[in-house]
Amino acid sequence: QLVVTQPPSASASLGASVNLTCTLSSGHSSYAIAWHQQQPEKGPRYLMKVKSDGSHSKGDGIPDRFSGSSSGAERYLTISSLQSEDEADYYCQTWGTGVLLFGGGTRLTVL
Amino acid sequence: EVLLVESGGGLVQPGRSLRLSCAASGFTFDDYAIHWVRQAPGKGLEWVSGISRNGNSRAYADSVKGRFTISRDNAKNSLYLQMNSLRVEDAALYYCAKDIGAGYSGGWSLFDSWGQGTLVTVSS
Repeated sequence: QLVVTQPPSASASLGASVNLTCTLSSGHSSYAIAWHQQQPEKGPRYLMKVKSDGSHSKGDGIPDRFSGSSSGAERYLTISSLQSEDEADYYCQTWGTGVLLFGGGTRLTVL
Repeated sequence: EVLLVESGGGLVQPGRSLRLSCAASGFTFDDYAIHWVRQAPGKGLEWVSGISRNGNSRAYADSVKGRFTISRDNAKNSLYLQMNSLRVEDAALYYCAKDIGAGYSGGWSLFDSWGQGTLVTVSS
């Protein structure tokens, strides 16, 4: 069964870098995922697609500070030079034929 | 610029019905599948329903199957969600979201645009 798992929280200091993780369930390590950002009191915003080979393609206007990568069943979102506006919830999304689901989200706190 | 604007939310009693709408602009509406996603207060995102570009493929989360109906009017660039037999647990912010693909035969993909949501409150 396809499932995506995210740690509920992460934190990093202003100006530092952080890696957020999305883990695909066993047998689904070839799946691509998408990362979405949800700032407080706002609708989600698409950030990027990350494929199993580690390549990623970003949405329009997404800063270079945001990048994606992969290792096995894990998909990563790296945010460098953290800014206060990066404090948000981050969701990964995956899909298959007839299946579409989200991870539980990671709340990023910028210290 | 892609714009998705939801409307139709409000306060409704359990067991009653509500119809949500999503007005789209800034892209060729009938080229893409569109979805409804909801977010209960303080919770994460939950996919609710999706419809293919031509409306022939529709899918629902188990939690709403048999109670909700998704539809679209490509002439009006609009998406709808008819919600019947509403339950307290259906209370949420409902977003429409644009798929990057056509959605034929339930072949969904990632969402590249989202609306700002419309709030549904279910309470007696």
